[in-house]
Amino acid sequence: EPEVTQTPSHQVTQMGQEVILRCVPISNHLYFYWYRQILGQKVEFLVSFYNNEISEKSEIFDDQFSVERPDGSNFTLKIRSTKLEDSAMYFCASSVGLAGENEQFFGPGTRLTVL
Amino acid sequence: AQSVTQLGSHVSVSEGALVLLRCNYSSSVPPYLFWYVQYPNQGLQLLLKYTSAATLVKGINGFEAEFKKSETSFHLTKPSAHMSDAAEYFCAVLSGGYNKLIFGAGTRLAVHP
Repeated sequence: EPEVTQTPSHQVTQMGQEVILRCVPISNHLYFYWYRQILGQKVEFLVSFYNNEISEKSEIFDDQFSVERPDGSNFTLKIRSTKLEDSAMYFCASSVGLAGENEQFFGPGTRLTVL
Repeated sequence: AQSVTQLGSHVSVSEGALVLLRCNYSSSVPPYLFWYVQYPNQGLQLLLKYTSAATLVKGINGFEAEFKKSETSFHLTKPSAHMSDAAEYFCAVLSGGYNKLIFGAGTRLAVHP
């Protein structure tokens, strides 16, 4: 069964460093998303992406964050200069069409630890 | 704006007992509602969804949820808990732009023998 994959499963970085979290969405999906879950808190939306551009972003998704679909299969989240408060589990998701009638499929997550 | 509230961050039941996880929503438009389950060290898996068809929605693993507009609720139930049901459960509502899911805080379900 097709699934969303994410690498790495765990990333440890120093404050101020850049990190890139990678996702491979399901191959025929057109809509892509990043969410994050700070330990003990709710899952929060970061950004949605369609047709090679951001369709919506949350207030969390500031200038330190960027997303890219560099090669038609990967979908990446870059954090330019990590802060301690960026430590969280980051989930990638994809859907074949707009959510609602179309399920968002989630990857297993990348746990980011900023020291 | 859309939001969900999950009552009870932790629920503990005996194996074989009824599972009831509560979710109330707020939405300015007819809502799309979801329940996701997260097993330890795994991603989010869709259990079931409400998309304005039948108000009683059946999902995987014997779970179901009933949409009650008058109570703005979408509670998740399972008649008989199994040890394998121990996980975290998230209720979510789709945003008005159909672009993002808005999650509740989650309910951790423990099942004891």
